[in-house]
Amino acid sequence: AQSVTQPDIHITVSEGASLELRCNYSYGATPYLFWYVQSPGQGLQLLLKYFSGDTLVQGIKGFEAEFKRSQSSFNLRKPSVHWSDAAEYFCAVGGPHYGGSQGNLIFGKGTKLSVKP
Amino acid sequence: DTGVSQDPRHKITKRGQNVTFRCDPISEHNRLYWYRQTLGQGPEFLTYFQNEAQLEKSRLLSDRFSAERPKGSFSTLEIQRTEQGDSAMYLCASSSYRDVNYGYTFGSGTRLTVV
Repeated sequence: AQSVTQPDIHITVSEGASLELRCNYSYGATPYLFWYVQSPGQGLQLLLKYFSGDTLVQGIKGFEAEFKRSQSSFNLRKPSVHWSDAAEYFCAVGGPHYGGSQGNLIFGKGTKLSVKP
Repeated sequence: DTGVSQDPRHKITKRGQNVTFRCDPISEHNRLYWYRQTLGQGPEFLTYFQNEAQLEKSRLLSDRFSAERPKGSFSTLEIQRTEQGDSAMYLCASSSYRDVNYGYTFGSGTRLTVV
């Protein structure tokens, strides 16, 4: 079955430190991959997405992610974390013919990021 | 364009009551999605519209749930005879079929608490 795993429920990093959030997926074909961020009580904002081509994807707010097909991973990275990055981060997978639908996504359970001053 | 709007932001209801939520998508978006997010989980797909047609429903959408998009613009999600297990954030998203890059835009959600 198609699924997304985010192994880390909660991560704490110091402001200015680098960040890597892990995401592994299970999908029968080349997936469409996404990272979203959610602040408390808010909806989801798209950080970046991968469909094809260059496996290193740049997103907003200084985030990037790398697609590694051999590892079924799509990890999110940021070289220097800011206090405002504290939020919950969700990885998602989908595709144009996923499950017969027209584009719904499967989300991981999320990783909560806390930033120490 | 003000993005995807959801109303109300918060709803507290007693078990057994009916509730209705509204979603106003981005005006040029013809696709509209409803997701449910419970505490500690990622969003889970509920249903999807293209224009006014409801094209897919998740098995999570029990008979007590009904969604409509009568004129292909705003959508409503109704839950009848609410149960405590319905307590969740209900998220709406919209996209355009012309945007093959999955230009999902999410609303801020409606948080439902069933007491």
